[in-house]
Amino acid sequence: TQLLEQSPQFLSIQEGENLTVYCNSSSVFSSLQWYRQEPGEGPVLLVTVVTGGEVKKLKRLTFQFGDARKDSSLHITAAQPGDTGLYLCAGDLKGGKLIFGQGTELSVKP
Amino acid sequence: DAGITQSPRHKVTETGTPVTLRCHQTENHRYMYWYRQDPGHGLRLIHYSYGVKDTDKGEVSDGYSVSRSKTEDFLLTLESATSSQTSVYFCAISAQWDGNQPQHFGDGTRLSIL
Repeated sequence: TQLLEQSPQFLSIQEGENLTVYCNSSSVFSSLQWYRQEPGEGPVLLVTVVTGGEVKKLKRLTFQFGDARKDSSLHITAAQPGDTGLYLCAGDLKGGKLIFGQGTELSVKP
Repeated sequence: DAGITQSPRHKVTETGTPVTLRCHQTENHRYMYWYRQDPGHGLRLIHYSYGVKDTDKGEVSDGYSVSRSKTEDFLLTLESATSSQTSVYFCAISAQWDGNQPQHFGDGTRLSIL
């Protein structure tokens, strides 16, 4: 049973476009992490959101945690080819053990 | 980068053979994890360890066993490999048992079982 639904699973856009990736669940998370993974490498943490309604920005990336701590979004402004990769959300249900979404494969074409 | 080394990086083997994957860390972190990554499933937790000789099951533990005899090493064993265990396996470490803390991942082992 997939507790964390991530969408879309695939996204192909042109350089300069904006995009949003969503993670949704019926479960409440104590925190939620976003990772980025490149081919042949392991995921690397981008951000952790903890408080309901929290918004964090990392350059052109904006992360939001839902008020009820059941969902999160990642918005990228003016995407660049260097943003290409697999984006994963991961929710913490009970301290320490993470539940991962299916991932979003983003391709940004020049 | 966190000092995590997975070995081997690639392996091809036959159904029914035993396979052991190794994760070695130089960070002295207490917590270590084994995940598998398959298309459409993201990362799924197989087993984890919260100290030397202390391990527990994750959501997809059937067919896998683990051992941790030293802080720095966490071994994943497939006693009798099956084709359904073809996957990319990732080891991760964390300093604390806390969802606010990042997990640091190795670069993975691509395992193919024919």
